[in-house]
Amino acid sequence: AQSVTQPDIHITVSEGASLELRCNYSYGATPYLFWYVQSPGQGLQLLLKYFSGDTLVQGIKGFEAEFKRSQSSFNLRKPSVHWSDAAEYFCAVGRGYQKVTFGTGTKLQVIP
Amino acid sequence: DVKVTQSSRYLVKRTGEKVFLECVQDMDHENMFWYRQDPGLGLRLIYFSYDVKMKEKGDIPEGYSVSREKKERFSLILESASTNQTSMYLCASRSGTGGVETQYFGPGTRLLVL
Repeated sequence: AQSVTQPDIHITVSEGASLELRCNYSYGATPYLFWYVQSPGQGLQLLLKYFSGDTLVQGIKGFEAEFKRSQSSFNLRKPSVHWSDAAEYFCAVGRGYQKVTFGTGTKLQVIP
Repeated sequence: DVKVTQSSRYLVKRTGEKVFLECVQDMDHENMFWYRQDPGLGLRLIYFSYDVKMKEKGDIPEGYSVSREKKERFSLILESASTNQTSMYLCASRSGTGGVETQYFGPGTRLLVL
């Protein structure tokens, strides 16, 4: 069965610092991988996705993620965090018209 | 602009009541989903539908049913609400069957069952 692990429940970074959110997945074939962001009181918005090709994926709001098959990872990165990036981030895996499985989320706090 | 709307942002119901949560999308998407979101558990899929009148169980369908009579509308029904169904409910829609397409989410309905 497919699964996603986000080992960090909560992360705090200073504004302007770099960010890396971890995501590990379990999937029987080449997965489709997603990162979503949820601002307080809102639904989820897609940041980026990987389904084939270049393993470094660029997304919106200056985020990027790298697919590493050997490590079963799809970590999200941003070189310089802004206060508006404070939110909850979800990694997800799925393929075809089958369901998408979400991780438990990582809450990002940004301090001045 | 893409839009998924949910009928209520906040809802308070009593144990045993029948509860309807409505979701409407304006993108002509084939696929629609209902999730519940709980702290520490992430999003869990309750039901999804890949066509009108079609439905598939997700991971936690017990205590829920769904209805999709029109392409744009997907309803989640709690036949007899219980306190353990207090949660945030998120609806999403997605085009196609390839799986790579983006899921678009509504703002969520926060349900409190007393």
